Amino acid sequence: EPEVTQTPSHQVTQMGQEVILRCVPISNHLYFYWYRQILGQKVEFLVSFYNNEISEKSEIFDDQFSVERPDGSNFTLKIRSTKLEDSAMYFCASSVRGNQGYNEQFFGPGTRLTVL
Amino acid sequence: EDKVVQSPLSLVVHEGDTVTLNCSYEVTNFRSLLWYKQEKKAPTFLFMLTSSGIEKKSGRLSSILDKKELFSILNITATQTGDSAVYLCAAGGTSYGKLTFGQGTILTVHP
Repeated sequence: EPEVTQTPSHQVTQMGQEVILRCVPISNHLYFYWYRQILGQKVEFLVSFYNNEISEKSEIFDDQFSVERPDGSNFTLKIRSTKLEDSAMYFCASSVRGNQGYNEQFFGPGTRLTVL
Repeated sequence: EDKVVQSPLSLVVHEGDTVTLNCSYEVTNFRSLLWYKQEKKAPTFLFMLTSSGIEKKSGRLSSILDKKELFSILNITATQTGDSAVYLCAAGGTSYGKLTFGQGTILTVHP
């Protein structure tokens, strides 16, 4: 069964460093998302992406964050200058449809980001 | 602000028991309610509900949506230890796919 994959599974970085989290969505899906989950807290929406541009972003997704689909398969989240509070599990998700809200989103296994 | 609230926050039962998990939501231009099971890492999709009163069923799990009362329940019958997990409820509106999640219900099933 097709699934969303993410690399790396765990990333440790120093505060102020740039990190890139990678995702390969399910191949026929058109809508892509990033969420994060700080330990013990809710899953929070970061950004949605369709047709090579951001569709919606949350308040969390500030200028330090960017997303890109550099080729036909990968979807990346870049954090330019990491802060301690960026430590979280980052989930990538994808869906066939996205607009109008009828979107079964399938999640990857996550990347645990630890900022020291 | 969109909001999803789940109850109870945690539940401990014995194998064979039936459980009911609750989810209430307030989402602008609501379109869909989704249930996920989260074991160690990734939320695994269970159900998507869009219409009131129509039960969705998969094995021992079932779910129903009440769009008038802004509420959904997830039932698990004849629970097994493998059902132990965090169950997440999420709601989607007409924005571009954003899901708003509840805080989850931690279900522990003892043998």
